[in-house]
Amino acid sequence: QVQLQESGPGLVKPSGTLSLTCAVSGGSISDYNWWSWVRQPPGKGLEWIGEIYRSGTTDFNPSLKSRVTISLDKSKNQFSLKVSSATAADTAVYYCASASWPSRYFDNWGQGTLVTVSS
Amino acid sequence: EIVMTQSPATLSVSPGERATLSCRASQSISSNLAWFQQKPGQAPRLLIYRASTRATGIPARFSGSGSGTEFTLTISSLQSEDFAVYHCQQYDDWPPITFGQGTRLEIK
Repeated sequence: QVQLQESGPGLVKPSGTLSLTCAVSGGSISDYNWWSWVRQPPGKGLEWIGEIYRSGTTDFNPSLKSRVTISLDKSKNQFSLKVSSATAADTAVYYCASASWPSRYFDNWGQGTLVTVSS
Repeated sequence: EIVMTQSPATLSVSPGERATLSCRASQSISSNLAWFQQKPGQAPRLLIYRASTRATGIPARFSGSGSGTEFTLTISSLQSEDFAVYHCQQYDDWPPITFGQGTRLEIK
């Protein structure tokens, strides 16, 4: 069973870049999985941010595409998220999650990390 | 973008009774639907995929049904640990993958 663990700053200044990393254990980042980021603003529903495959192929939510980067680091068995030009609307619990190729339902989730955008 | 709509927003049910939660897609998604349970302070947990297949370790009291645009999650006899928020997710057409807004299942 793959295990996922998010890490990164819990506080980001407005207009800054939100950066998070998801460490993968119990499996390889090169396995047949889609590696995704999902966020949840306080008291609200889940929003898919984007995903990356082992080949480096990415897909993004069109609502965030212009500000989001997702990358793989195979040497560290982890993947990362960057969201630029952050605003208070980006305040949320950020989860990394994985889906077993070729499906895209999320069968593994990290515990989540709260990121607050505030000065 | 496929919009997922869950109803009701909040459902009040007594322990031991049956709960029925609905999820509707704005266009047909075949059977490419998953259900998740989320408790306060925790990550979502996969319950059902492919509309009706229980994930590993999920009790038989959880069942899913439907196809096309209308889906249902049924919990046959509510246990205390089942009171939580439930989310549906479509994975038929992306990007983006989309979720419903959630149904809060509370104790009556």
